[in-house]
Amino acid sequence: DGGITQSPKYLFRKEGQNVTLSCEQNLNHDAMYWYRQDPGQGLRLIYYSQIVNDFQKGDIAEGYSVSREKKESFPLTVTSAQKNPTAFYLCASSMDPGTSLDTQYFGPGTRLTVL
Amino acid sequence: AQSVTQLGSHVSVSEGALVLLRCNYSSSVPPYLFWYVQYPNQGLQLLLKYTSAATLVKGINGFEAEFKKSETSFHLTKPSAHMSDAAEYFCAVSDGGDMRFGAGTRLTVKP
Repeated sequence: DGGITQSPKYLFRKEGQNVTLSCEQNLNHDAMYWYRQDPGQGLRLIYYSQIVNDFQKGDIAEGYSVSREKKESFPLTVTSAQKNPTAFYLCASSMDPGTSLDTQYFGPGTRLTVL
Repeated sequence: AQSVTQLGSHVSVSEGALVLLRCNYSSSVPPYLFWYVQYPNQGLQLLLKYTSAATLVKGINGFEAEFKKSETSFHLTKPSAHMSDAAEYFCAVSDGGDMRFGAGTRLTVKP
């Protein structure tokens, strides 16, 4: 089955710890995205990558870092510098941003809770 | 930059009634428009998208949306609500750059 997987589904972290969220896709999509979802605020873009070894900051990149060493993988690290990391994190991918093929497909999400 | 406004954070309808979820967009170029649905603790699933081929777009689960350029709107409708339609719905716009999402509308369906 083609799709996007995120792991783990639930993650608990102590304050001051870094944590990495996994996102893998086998859709052969070039572009990948990370969003943060908070109640009543919709989705906010953290980082995106349109090609391997390249990525750009989104609207709320502070306290987060990413890498894109492989086309299939786009892990997100939530660092201790992120002041309020408790949220639902969604990963997405798309084939051809900016064209009629620009449909983002989403993973099932990771719910991060800071204890 | 493009943006989306969803009117009404909560909409409640009775089973069998018309569903109307409102979305207005702002874009400096002809946009691509999308509706997604999200069930609790899940990712977003694409319902339908507009890419200028036709102004009335039909999607999955009996939903459809009409692109009205003069009103800068892309409202989502379904003639008859089903209990399984209860979820959160997001409108999104892309103009060749980022995709921007609305804040979402939570749909409740009463028996």
